[in-house]
Order: sequence, then structure tokens, then C-alpha cells
Amino acid sequence: QVQLQESGPGLVKPSETLSLACTVSGGSISSSDNYWGWIRQPPGKGLEWIGSIYYSGTTYENPSLKSRLIISVETSKNQFSLKLNSVTAADTAVYYCARQREFRGARAGTYYCDSWGQGTLVTVSS
Amino acid sequence: QSVLTQPPSVSGAPGQRVTFSCTGSSSNIGAGYDVHWYQQLPETAPKLLMYGNNNRPSGVPDRFSGSKSGTSASLSITGLQADDEADYYCQSYDSSLNGYVFGTGTKVTVL
Repeated sequence: QVQLQESGPGLVKPSETLSLACTVSGGSISSSDNYWGWIRQPPGKGLEWIGSIYYSGTTYENPSLKSRLIISVETSKNQFSLKLNSVTAADTAVYYCARQREFRGARAGTYYCDSWGQGTLVTVSS
Repeated sequence: QSVLTQPPSVSGAPGQRVTFSCTGSSSNIGAGYDVHWYQQLPETAPKLLMYGNNNRPSGVPDRFSGSKSGTSASLSITGLQADDEADYYCQSYDSSLNGYVFGTGTKVTVL
């Protein structure tokens, strides 16, 4: 049973960079079946997909965040990471990492999140 | 702003059936992309409830069912129970945004 755990600072100052890591255990991040994703949820609001990465380093980012976003993978550590720069209060949220698996239905490329980390609250405040 | 719209809330008495929708457009559900559903209990991470429109992961009771037609999908819960009280989110892929999208979320209340 794969498990994911987010780690990183819980408080970031405005205009600085938010950095989080997700450590995967119970399975290999290098599995060809999966993408690995970041999702966030502002307090009291809904879910927002941030971006996803394949073990080879191929990434997909939310267009609304792409200019501020770097997602990377370290296969030797079984870990993937998120960096979001120039943060504002609007980036305050619970950040989740998740494993994404492909559903091979009528259209290719529809991935779903079958395992989630517990989430970590990141507050942007001075 | 989410491109998948859900009713903010639905409610039902224990034992009843509730159904709620996830409405998209021609660039996501209407384009044939599949829909997945998540259940989020209070103060917990989301949990996969349904994948590929109508497939339940192991451990999810058959009281939960899903369907998709046209530009919409729906989730039904039969035999409503107190521990079904949660937020439910749909998710799909959008070709215009070239990325994954979540629904606005539906809060299910058991009366």
C-alpha cells in the first residue's frame, strides 16, 4: 500500500518561495503506471490541481500557476517536490500530494488520484 | 474558478437516496473524458470514491454509483448513512486548459 507524506515550512512570507516535498513509501516513484501530482485547497474552499510529474521529469502545470511553478522529481529519494514563487495570501492552502493513475477509457489521458498524502497547511503571512 | 459545476449542497434522511450532478462542457466531460469522484470527510484528505465514471475502488460500498452522459456526470448514494456526511468532488480533464479540473464540490448532509 503506497503512502505519501508532504513536508515543508508551514509559514511563508509574501513574495517568497513556497517549497514542499512529497516522500513516497511502499512503492516506487519510478513506476511507469503513474504520474505524481500536487493539489491544494484554500481554507473552506474546493480542490485545485496544481501540477503533475512523471518519473522521467515530464511535467504538466495548471496554466494559472505555471509562470510561478517548478515541479521536480528525485527518483533516488523516491520523492517529488513543488516550488511556487512570489506567493501571496491567495496561496494559503492545504497542499496535498497524490499518486495519479491512468484510466484507460474512451479518451486517453484521464488520470485519477488513488492515494493521497494527509496534507500540509501552508500559510502565507508576514 | 472551476469549470465543473456541482450543487453546493444536498441532503437526505437516513436510508434515502441522493443524487447530484457534475456539469461540464464540450472541452471536458462532453469531449469524452472520464469522470472521477472523491469523498472528503471533515478535516481529512480526499479519498477516491469512484474512477472511470462508474468503477468503485476496493472497499467502497456498492451504495455508491456513478454515471456519465453528455456534458454531465452524476453520483448517487443509496441507503444514506450518517457517515456519508462529507464533501464530494468530481474531477476530469479539460482539453482547453490542458490540465485536470475539479468540480466545485457538493456537501452531503444526513438529516
